[in-house]
Amino acid sequence: DIQMTQSPSSLSASVGDRVTITCQASQDIGKLLNWFQQKPGKAPKLLIYDASNLETGVPSRFSGSGSGTDFTFTISGLQPEDIATYYCQQYDNLLQFTFGPGTKVEI
Amino acid sequence: EVQLVQSGAEVKWPGESLRISCKGSGYTFSQYWIGWVRQMPGKGLEWMGIIYPSDSGTRYNPSFKGQVTISADKSINTAYLQWTNLKASDTALYYCARLRGRLDSWGQGTLVTVSS
Repeated sequence: DIQMTQSPSSLSASVGDRVTITCQASQDIGKLLNWFQQKPGKAPKLLIYDASNLETGVPSRFSGSGSGTDFTFTISGLQPEDIATYYCQQYDNLLQFTFGPGTKVEI
Repeated sequence: EVQLVQSGAEVKWPGESLRISCKGSGYTFSQYWIGWVRQMPGKGLEWMGIIYPSDSGTRYNPSFKGQVTISADKSINTAYLQWTNLKASDTALYYCARLRGRLDSWGQGTLVTVSS
């Protein structure tokens, strides 16, 4: 099974800051890595798919990069509405999905 | 507009059976996989399994295989998640999500509480 780790588990930043979250896979997953945002009491929302593609309608301050085992998610200019928990998620061709443990972003 | 609407919150006794639902609209339901995700109180997201409504083909996370059953009725655009012997540890929020290359649309979640 592929394991996903995320760091940090939580962070506190100020409005306007650049925030970076990393995600590491236990084996090479190519670019099969997505990023989700989950606000309290809400369903997860897809932000980035296939490591670096911005989902339609998602603000451009969100971005992703990486391939293989190491991935990065960035918020360029943190906004108050970005307070949430962020999850990376990988999938394989057997339709097995794994979520990272999440990173809680606070202001 | 793509929508996944889940059934309402449930409160059950341990040992009871339960089936929760996820109804899709705004797209051709049978042609996209529907997955289920568990979120225990205060915890992260866990992948449970996925179904292709067109032929009811399923893939389970080994951790959930035998613990739940995923099914679908394409005639009414609905997917299901079912338990036959609920435990207190099944208390969680359950989400369905559509797979269109990625999990791009999610239901609002169904809270299941199992308590004596």
